[in-house]
Amino acid sequence: EAQLVESGGGLVQPGGSLRLSCAASGFTFSGYWMHWVRQVPGEGLVWVSRITADGSGSTYADSVKGRFTISRDNAMNTLYLQMNNLRAEDTALYFCARDHNLWELDYWGQGTLVTVSS
Amino acid sequence: QSALTQPASVSGSPGQSITISCTGTSSDVGGYNYVSWYQQHPGEAPKLMIFGVSDRPSGVSDRFSGSKSGNTASLTISGLQAEDEADYYCNSFTSRHTGVFGTGTKVTVL
Repeated sequence: EAQLVESGGGLVQPGGSLRLSCAASGFTFSGYWMHWVRQVPGEGLVWVSRITADGSGSTYADSVKGRFTISRDNAMNTLYLQMNNLRAEDTALYFCARDHNLWELDYWGQGTLVTVSS
Repeated sequence: QSALTQPASVSGSPGQSITISCTGTSSDVGGYNYVSWYQQHPGEAPKLMIFGVSDRPSGVSDRFSGSKSGNTASLTISGLQAEDEADYYCNSFTSRHTGVFGTGTKVTVL
């Protein structure tokens, strides 16, 4: 059974940086696109970014473009999200998700909470 | 990219059918058959219920069905059950090769 476990969240000051990780197991990680999705507690889901299976291509939501970078290490079965110049509005629970076949997010982690506050 | 528009809430009695709409534009919902639906119970991760507009993953009840007409996708839950009470979100691929979720719909079983 596929499993995704996020880590790296925490409290960071505005303007600071944080790197999230998503450890994958139970499937051939290198064969799937991956996504990051965030959710402010009590609010809706927001798509953040996605990366192709080999890491050669990525896209971002306008709200994070230029500040966040998605990457992956297929040898380590790990997905990353480097978040720079963080803002209060980036405060959210961040989920990683597997894309089974073009925007079919079939496995999700439990999320890691990022809080941006002074 | 603005969120796709969903009704804030939909309710129904056990056994009834309800439909949740998801309205976008020709650059997302209307332009591609890459619309998916997710169920989320409080404190849990989202669960894929429908992909490719109308396909169901294995293990998802056939009481859940999806469709699309123009720029609006729909999720229908038939034979409503207490366990269906949750938040539901649509999602679409877009012309900019990004994704966009709907605003979310809270389903209440009366």
